[in-house]
Order: sequence, then structure tokens, then C-alpha cells
Amino acid sequence: QKEVEQDPGPLSVPEGAIVSLNCTYSNSAFQYFMWYRQYSRKGPELLMYTYSSGNKEDGRFTAQVDKSSKYISLFIRDSQPSDSATYLCAMSAMGGNNRLAFGKGNQVVVIP
Amino acid sequence: DTGVSQNPRHKITKRGQNVTFRCDPISEHNRLYWYRQTLGQGPEFLTYFQNEAQLEKSRLLSDRFSAERPKGSFSTLEIQRTEQGDSAMYLCASSARTDPNSPLHFGNGTRLTVT
Repeated sequence: QKEVEQDPGPLSVPEGAIVSLNCTYSNSAFQYFMWYRQYSRKGPELLMYTYSSGNKEDGRFTAQVDKSSKYISLFIRDSQPSDSATYLCAMSAMGGNNRLAFGKGNQVVVIP
Repeated sequence: DTGVSQNPRHKITKRGQNVTFRCDPISEHNRLYWYRQTLGQGPEFLTYFQNEAQLEKSRLLSDRFSAERPKGSFSTLEIQRTEQGDSAMYLCASSARTDPNSPLHFGNGTRLTVT
């Protein structure tokens, strides 16, 4: 079993819809949780960064962490065509040299 | 541009040749990471530097791979005797010194194609 599971299935949504993405993980030591956005042929760009459980909101983006269920989510409200990208979840343990474990990524297409 | 810079952006090489990639981290970031990403997968950790010291290496980093960060600034990743399985995007990331768990900032990678 991989440390981080992310269903890589492509997701197509109409413009303005809510996009919902999630990851599960197996390592209880993970304390820091991130979502990265990656456009084609570019490096991952940090979107959201949270510590431990709870919610964090930044504009149209909301990240949720449920450590008891080992489950994290990203919601994108009022999706735009410019949100079309691959979204990667990532996480790390405290004191683990900040080495990130990534999911496979979700390709999201927002249709105008 | 004060982000992480990687060169070259693309490299095509023949099997058996050696290649070297360079990474310039964000200024004053003392932590530097190399990751590898293949198509349809998330990045996988290769190695980590704190200043000039290489503190961790993944089992993915075979003896054909070597990384250096001689003065604690830029880093190079060399692959000797390349194989077709080395074809991937090689990503560099850096993070700040002040918080050991501060988030990683990635460059746009070097895409390697081994023919």
C-alpha cells in the first residue's frame, strides 16, 4: 500500500462548478498537508499548506484535514478554465527532513 | 524572478551518455531537494541537502546518480550511463531555513529523454 493514495481519474466540470478532490494516507506521523497545482510541463506550485487537522480557506480554495480518518480534501469554488491543471496532494512528518510524499495527482478540466 | 531556477529545461540524450542538471534555489533557502516525476505519477523524493551537506538519499538514487551542492547555494544532479528508464522530469525544490517544516517551492524541472 502506498503511503498516499489519490484517485488519478480525470475530472471534467463546467465552469462555475465546485471541484472536490481528496487523498487518503496510511502514515500516522504525517502532520503537514499540502496541495500543489501543476500545469502541463511546469513544476508543482504550492496552493494550500495546513498543519494537523482542520480547515483552511484562501479565496476560492478550501483545504480540509481529518487526521482521525487519514483523509484530506481540496475544494475549488466557482471553478474557472484557468483552474484546469493537475492537483497533487502532499504530506510530511515532523522532523522528517520535510521529505514530501505525494499522491499521483488529479487532472482537472474546467469546461467554459 | 526569485523562484527556483533549473537548467536546462529539456535534455535529450542517447543511452549510455552522462548528463548533468543544475538547480539554483530561492536565495537564502538553505534546504534543497531533488525529486523525480514520471508521467501520470506524483514526484518521488531523491535526495536532500541542508546547506552543503547531503543528509538523505532515497533508494531510488542508484550509484549512477550523484548530487552535489558545493557551496551551499546551487546544486547539480549528474546521471552517469543513462538508461531509458531514467527518462523523467527532474524537479528541484527549496525551503527556508527558519522553519524545518516550511513548504517546498519547486522549479519548473528538467525534462530528460533518453533515446
